[in-house]
Amino acid sequence: GAVVSQHPSRVICKSGTSVKIECRSLDFQATTMFWYRQFPKKSLMLMATSNEGSKATYEQGVEKDKFLINHASLTLSTLTVTSAHPEDSSFYICSANKRVSSYEQYFGPGTRLTVT
Amino acid sequence: AQSVSQHNHHVILSEAASLELGCNYSYGGTVNLFWYVQYPGQHLQLLLKYFSGDPLVKGIKGFEAEFIKSKFSFNLRKPSVQWSDTAEYFCAVNAGGTSYGKLTFGQGTILTVHP
Repeated sequence: GAVVSQHPSRVICKSGTSVKIECRSLDFQATTMFWYRQFPKKSLMLMATSNEGSKATYEQGVEKDKFLINHASLTLSTLTVTSAHPEDSSFYICSANKRVSSYEQYFGPGTRLTVT
Repeated sequence: AQSVSQHNHHVILSEAASLELGCNYSYGGTVNLFWYVQYPGQHLQLLLKYFSGDPLVKGIKGFEAEFIKSKFSFNLRKPSVQWSDTAEYFCAVNAGGTSYGKLTFGQGTILTVHP
């Protein structure tokens, strides 16, 4: 199998605080992980590509200082939303490649972030 | 930049009806194509994929999709839907040669199947 987990599944935080979301590949090593954001009734939008041991590659329009990504090991990537605001409320989903040369991604269950 | 368009936002069918969900993409080069499904409360799962070869690909749960290069389309089909097929379906494209796994998703189509 190829299982990807996310923690927490739901989080509520106050405006101005930071929140960290973890993405783990449970039964495989993932050199590359991806972070998506899903708006209500809209598609997934790729935010950044997270590479183990190197800096993340952010998509155009995504603030790298606001959405900090760390991929410290082959099984863990974290997304930290810094100084969160209500407009950051969304569903954040991570995915991982099982092999370096693979086009297939395995998705986590997502994290619902609500900023009050 | 590549884009993916799914024609229907919400499709409502009765059990045993046939299904076809449209997907068109805009990218002139080699593409890898995917359909993902998201059941209520669950994470995205791969239904099927096309990389090369036979343009008619079969996936899990009786789904199939046909890649028509001239139409830039990758429509999803199922001859007879079941209530358990109720879910949201996403078409996704990876432009071949770009970073592995970088996907562009369509807007999604919600399928509701009535028993």
